Amino acid sequence: EPEVTQTPSHQVTQMGQEVILRCVPISNHLYFYWYRQILGQKVEFLVSFYNNEISEKSEIFDDQFSVERPDGSNFTLKIRSTKLEDSAMYFCASSDPGQEYFGPGTRLLVL
Amino acid sequence: AQSVTQLDSHVSVSEGTPVLLRCNYSSSYSPSLFWYVQHPNKGLQLLLKYTSAATLVKGINGFEAEFKKSETSFHLTKPSAHMSDAAEYFCVVSERAAGNKLTFGGGTRVLVKP
Repeated sequence: EPEVTQTPSHQVTQMGQEVILRCVPISNHLYFYWYRQILGQKVEFLVSFYNNEISEKSEIFDDQFSVERPDGSNFTLKIRSTKLEDSAMYFCASSDPGQEYFGPGTRLLVL
Repeated sequence: AQSVTQLDSHVSVSEGTPVLLRCNYSSSYSPSLFWYVQHPNKGLQLLLKYTSAATLVKGINGFEAEFKKSETSFHLTKPSAHMSDAAEYFCVVSERAAGNKLTFGGGTRVLVKP
């Protein structure tokens, strides 16, 4: 069964550094999403992406965040200058019209 | 706007006894509703989904949920808990009008006692 994959599974970075989280969505899906889950908190929507542009973003998704689909298969989330509070599990998802499929997540730790 | 409330942050059951996880939602439109499970240090796995067909939805691992529009509820049940059911469970709502983005409930952590 096709699945969403994410790399790396874990990343540790210093505050102020840039990180890029990578996702490979399911190949025939058209909608892509990033969510995050801060330890002990609920899963929060960050951004959705369709037709090569952002279709919706949350208040969390400020100018420090960006998304890109550089080559038709990867879907990336960039955090330009990480803050301590960016430490979280980041989930990528892709969907057909009825259902979103989640990747296993990238655990980001900002020191 | 859509929202989800999971009424219990923790549920403790004995192995072999029924499990009930309560979820109420708010939605401006006809929503799709989901239950996801997250085992420790794992990703989110879909248990079941409701998308306007049958109101009683059967999912994986013996779970089922009933959509009750009059009560705006989508409670998750399982007749007999297994040790492997220990995990966190999320009730989730999605609206096409909201770009299909998912709104998660706060989660219910299930503990299964032997």
